[in-house]
Amino acid sequence: KAGVTQTPRYLIKTRGQQVTLSCSPISGHRSVSWYQQTPGQGLQFLFEYFSETQRNKGNFPGRFSGRQFSNSRSEMNVSTLELGDSALYLCASSLDRNIQYFGAGTRLSVL
Amino acid sequence: KNEVEQSPQNLTAQEGEFITINCSYSVGISALHWLQQHPGGGIVSLFMLSSGKKKHGRLIATINIQEKHSSLHITASHPRDSAVYICAVRGISSGSARQLTFGSGTQLTVLP
Repeated sequence: KAGVTQTPRYLIKTRGQQVTLSCSPISGHRSVSWYQQTPGQGLQFLFEYFSETQRNKGNFPGRFSGRQFSNSRSEMNVSTLELGDSALYLCASSLDRNIQYFGAGTRLSVL
Repeated sequence: KNEVEQSPQNLTAQEGEFITINCSYSVGISALHWLQQHPGGGIVSLFMLSSGKKKHGRLIATINIQEKHSSLHITASHPRDSAVYICAVRGISSGSARQLTFGSGTQLTVLP
């Protein structure tokens, strides 16, 4: 069974640009969560989606958005990038708030 | 005060030693997760527990709901256990409290 796939693995953007990250969950998993990890703040929750519905949103500005498609694949978008958005973005899938299976992450650098 | 506190922040052990990492939390929870993160970023879920004790190989996780405390034990530690261990809790209140809240992690280094 394939694991959680995140693309791209690495991304370099400049301030003011926008970025879209993709996550393909494990087959059969309908829950997808996104997390941001930085050296200063550690791991922080961004969003949780279940069957195309956003169930939860973390304490992030409106520049951070996401969606989930009917095949459970999910995307997150960050608009008007700031230097502080540089981070490792992790996606995790689960059956329904059970054991989380993490992808390898997308490392975003904002210059 | 953070909702999830881990101790110690850093731990260095000799191969073969018994290791304990602690996690305390301040909110009511539906489940507690222990995660392992190796250099490079990949995260692996080790345990999800809501009561009692779980064991997988050399790893043991326990939780005391009344005391709001969990421990992760590693028996017969090995250099390949070197990683960051992260505790995370899922709250029971409605809305955003049901998200996972993470501890700051414990950096474990096991020397040969």
